Amino acid sequence: AQSVTQLGSHVSVSEGALVLLRCNYSSSVPPYLFWYVQYPNQGLQLLLKYTSAATLVKGINGFEAEFKKSETSFHLTKPSAHMSDAAEYFCAVRTSNTGNQFYFGTGTSLTVIP
Amino acid sequence: KAGVTQTPRYLIKTRGQQVTLSCSPISGHRSVSWYQQTPGQGLQFLFEYFSETQRNKGNFPGRFSGRQFSNSRSEMNVSTLELGDSALYLCASSLRTTNEQFFGPGTRLTVL
Repeated sequence: AQSVTQLGSHVSVSEGALVLLRCNYSSSVPPYLFWYVQYPNQGLQLLLKYTSAATLVKGINGFEAEFKKSETSFHLTKPSAHMSDAAEYFCAVRTSNTGNQFYFGTGTSLTVIP
Repeated sequence: KAGVTQTPRYLIKTRGQQVTLSCSPISGHRSVSWYQQTPGQGLQFLFEYFSETQRNKGNFPGRFSGRQFSNSRSEMNVSTLELGDSALYLCASSLRTTNEQFFGPGTRLTVL
């Protein structure tokens, strides 16, 4: 069975500091991995995706994530936090043996302190 | 290209009533998935349709149902509403069943 674990339901960083949001997955087959961002009263927007090409994936708004198979991780990072990064972030996994069904983590709420 | 649209955006119903939510996917997308989002449970998968056929179904009671039309538009219906059905219902579409999903803004359902 597939699952996603996001460590830390709330993360606070100072403006300009490194952002690190953690995601670990479990999958019996090679996964497709995604990070989505959700702003208040909006749907989810795709930040980046890993689909078995380069292990370091660059996304929008300066975010990137690295797929580490040995650690079953896909952590999201951004070198310098901006106030506009405050939002809810979701990690998701999809595998070939589950069709198009996505499994989402419970989300991490990012607060940026000025 | 227009994004995923969901109507209505907000809905208030009372217990026992039924509700129908609508989702129009991005043009050309044939896969539509529905999710329920609540503060305590996060995003929970309801069901997924592809070419008018339900392909996957989450662990929800039979009060939750859906369908997809030949133009890929989808509706979900919740009968005999309960207070616990209050949530943000999100629809997502994808080009094929192997690509990332694009989400609509959601329908905020409040059950009184």
